[in-house]
Parts: sequence; C-alpha cells; structure tokens
Amino acid sequence: AQKVTQAQTEISVVEKEDVTLDCVYETRDTTYYLFWYKQPPSGELVFLIRRNSFDEQNEISGRYSWNFQKSTSSFNFTITASQVVDSAVYFCALSESPRDDKIIFGKGTRLHILP
Amino acid sequence: DAGVIQSPRHEVTEMGQEVTLRCKPISGHNSLFWYRQTMMRGLELLIYFNNNVPIDDSGMPEDRFSAKMPNASFSTLKIQPSEPRDSAVYFCASSARQRPDQPQHFGDGTRLSIL
Repeated sequence: AQKVTQAQTEISVVEKEDVTLDCVYETRDTTYYLFWYKQPPSGELVFLIRRNSFDEQNEISGRYSWNFQKSTSSFNFTITASQVVDSAVYFCALSESPRDDKIIFGKGTRLHILP
Repeated sequence: DAGVIQSPRHEVTEMGQEVTLRCKPISGHNSLFWYRQTMMRGLELLIYFNNNVPIDDSGMPEDRFSAKMPNASFSTLKIQPSEPRDSAVYFCASSARQRPDQPQHFGDGTRLSIL
C-alpha cells in the first residue's frame, strides 16, 4: 500500500541556516510520482515540485533543492539560506498515477524560520 | 488563468444543519478531488471524480457526507446533518487526467466550523 512518512513534525531554525525536510515513501509500483507542496500560514496549498520514479536526478530551484534516492525510498527537500518567508507546513506526497489518480500526502512538517 | 474556485471561504453553522461546499475546477481538468484537513488527521482524500464519475469514495467518513459532480465545471460536497467533529478545512483540487505528470491544483479551501 502507498504510504508517505514525514518523521519531522516540527522544525525550527534561525534565518539563513540550511534545513532539510525528510520524506520516506512506500509503494509497490515501479511508476510513480512524488510531490512537495507548501502550505503557508494563509492556508493555501502551493505546488513546489514533481518528480517521476524514472528520474533520479536531483533538482535545484533557487534556494530549494530536492534529493531523490530510490535505494532508500526518500525524497528529501533542502532549503538553503532559509528566510522567514519559508515558514510554512511542507507536505510530501506520492501518486501511483497513471494507474491511480490518488495522491497520498504525508502528515507534513511545520517549519519555523526564526529571525 | 483562473485557478480552482471554492465557495464559501468560511462557513459557520450549527450542529444538525445541512452544509454544502462548492467547487469549480480549472477549465479542461477532468479529475476533481475533495480533501479534508484537520490537525489530528492531516490531509485526507475524501473522494475523487474522473470525467464527472466518482471513482473512489473510500475516504468519505460516513453516510452524512455526499459529493456530486453534475458537470465538468462544478462539484458539491454536502454534509447532512453536520456535527462539530466535521469542523475542518475542506479543499478541492483538480488535475488533467491525461497528464499524470502534472500536479493537482488546489483551491483556497473552505474553513468549516460546526457549533
């Protein structure tokens, strides 16, 4: 069965520090997609990145980077030089589409960036 | 482009009343999802539709909950009768079924409070 585990429920770091959010997933499919979403204090869910199971290249987008490792079933998210505006809840998610459209979300990690 | 539109943004009602939440997906998207978010249970998928047909309603908590999608541009989630434990933020999301690599796009949510 699908499962996404975000073991860190809450993290606090001081501004400008780097922080990594962990995500471990379980699936029996060989084709799947992984996602990260951000939920700022205003409450909306904002898509950050999607990665398919055949693409293990790491990705960098500005201060954000993602490390996908199939060997450990992990899809970790790193924020470099964190800023107060990065404070939010971050969700990792898994989809076994195209077989199934459902996206299973982890419980989320609440990130506090302290000034 | 207009995103997923949900209404109302906030709803406060008394226990026992009928509640109807509304969602307009992104034009051209043919998959629609209803989620519920609570502190205790995180983001839960309640039901999803493909081409207006309910595909998986295993997440619907009980018979008091029902969802319909009469056409490609509108869906409702109804709770009758409502109970205080139904208080949560309800999100609607849509995606393009023919593009499984694309993420779900979320509405801003309806914050529901049952007194």
